[in-house]
Amino acid sequence: ETAVFQTPNYHVTQVGNEVSFNCKQTLGHDTMYWYKQDSKKLLKIMFSYNNKQLIVNETVPRRFSPQSSDKAHLNLRIKSVEPEDSAVYLCASNWGGSYEQYFGPGTRLTVL
Amino acid sequence: SQWGEENLQALSIQEGEDVTMNCSYKTYTTVVHWYRQDSGRGPALIILIRSNEREKRSGRLRATLDTSSQSSSLSITAAQCEDTAVYFCATENTGGADRLTFGKGTQLIIQP
Repeated sequence: ETAVFQTPNYHVTQVGNEVSFNCKQTLGHDTMYWYKQDSKKLLKIMFSYNNKQLIVNETVPRRFSPQSSDKAHLNLRIKSVEPEDSAVYLCASNWGGSYEQYFGPGTRLTVL
Repeated sequence: SQWGEENLQALSIQEGEDVTMNCSYKTYTTVVHWYRQDSGRGPALIILIRSNEREKRSGRLRATLDTSSQSSSLSITAAQCEDTAVYFCATENTGGADRLTFGKGTQLIIQP
């Protein structure tokens, strides 16, 4: 099956903990993204990454960092979570020359 | 309309009715994407319209684009319960992390 896969589906943690979310795409794409979706469904881009370049949305706090081992994987690490980090984190991918993006199912983070 | 400072819009209609969702965007674009997000899943592209098309149809979906007024619409004919979802418009950007800029979304609920 070719798609974008994310793990875990859900994660509940305490303030100050470190969390890491995984994303893998089997579509052969060369560009991957992380979005944050809040409770009002608003989608905010956090990072885009291909083999050559990481582009960071300047509004993303420094405690967030993407980690990539190859073009099929882009993980997201949050060093010390805060209550406002509670959201759904969506991973997406595409060909750099195309604008259509393919999304994973998301990871729902709840920070207590 | 999906842009501006409004919260997630909600539309509730009866099965079998027609519905139109509007999107007005701020920055110039020649292509508007419409994505659909089902509960618990990531957004998925359902129709894409370019500036030279004015209208695009796909099954019961119809998209329009008016670049002069920077607006687009998505219509669904004879809505069915399975059309219940959140619908986003998105515009293409050049440069930066946000290859696509998503509108705030419209929650569409089809009542049986």
